[in-house]
Amino acid sequence: AQKVTQAQTEISVVEKEDVTLDCVYETRDTTYYLFWYKQPPSGELVFLIRRNSFDEQNEISGRYSWNFQKSTSSFNFTITASQVVDSAVYFCALSEAGIYNQGGKLIFGQGTELSVKP
Amino acid sequence: DVKVTQSSRYLVKRTGEKVFLECVQDMDHENMFWYRQDPGLGLRLIYFSYDVKMKEKGDIPEGYSVSREKKERFSLILESASTNQTSMYLCASRPTGTGGYGYTFGSGTRLTVV
Repeated sequence: AQKVTQAQTEISVVEKEDVTLDCVYETRDTTYYLFWYKQPPSGELVFLIRRNSFDEQNEISGRYSWNFQKSTSSFNFTITASQVVDSAVYFCALSEAGIYNQGGKLIFGQGTELSVKP
Repeated sequence: DVKVTQSSRYLVKRTGEKVFLECVQDMDHENMFWYRQDPGLGLRLIYFSYDVKMKEKGDIPEGYSVSREKKERFSLILESASTNQTSMYLCASRPTGTGGYGYTFGSGTRLTVV
């Protein structure tokens, strides 16, 4: 069965600190997709990144970077030099590509609430 | 701009009422989903539909039903609302065959059952 675990419920940092959000997943499929979403206080889910299971290259986008490691089934997210505007709930999610996942549903982790203080 | 529209942002209902949450998408997507979001539990899948009149249970279907009579509309029904169904409800849609791309979420409906 597919499962996503975000063990960090809440993280609090001071502005300009680096912070890493952990994500561990379980899947029976060999082809799957991993996602990160941001949910600011307004409530809308904001898509950040999608990764497929065959692409283990790390990705960097501005202050954001992602480390995908199939060997440990992890897809961690790092914010460098955090800012107050990064305060939000962050969700990691998984979608299996195979026949068992009709419709392509997303399975989400529990979310990590990040608070960046000035 | 592509959209998933949820009919209400905030809703207050009484225990025992029948509640309808409506979701409409304008992207001709085959697949639609209803999630429930609770603090510390993340988003949990209630029901999804991969075609008109087709529906599949998600992880927490108890107490809910759904209806998809037209491709663009996916309704979540609380047959007899209870206080433990107080939550944020999110609707989403995606096209088939896009390799994991194309998920679009609505803004959510915050339901309070009193």
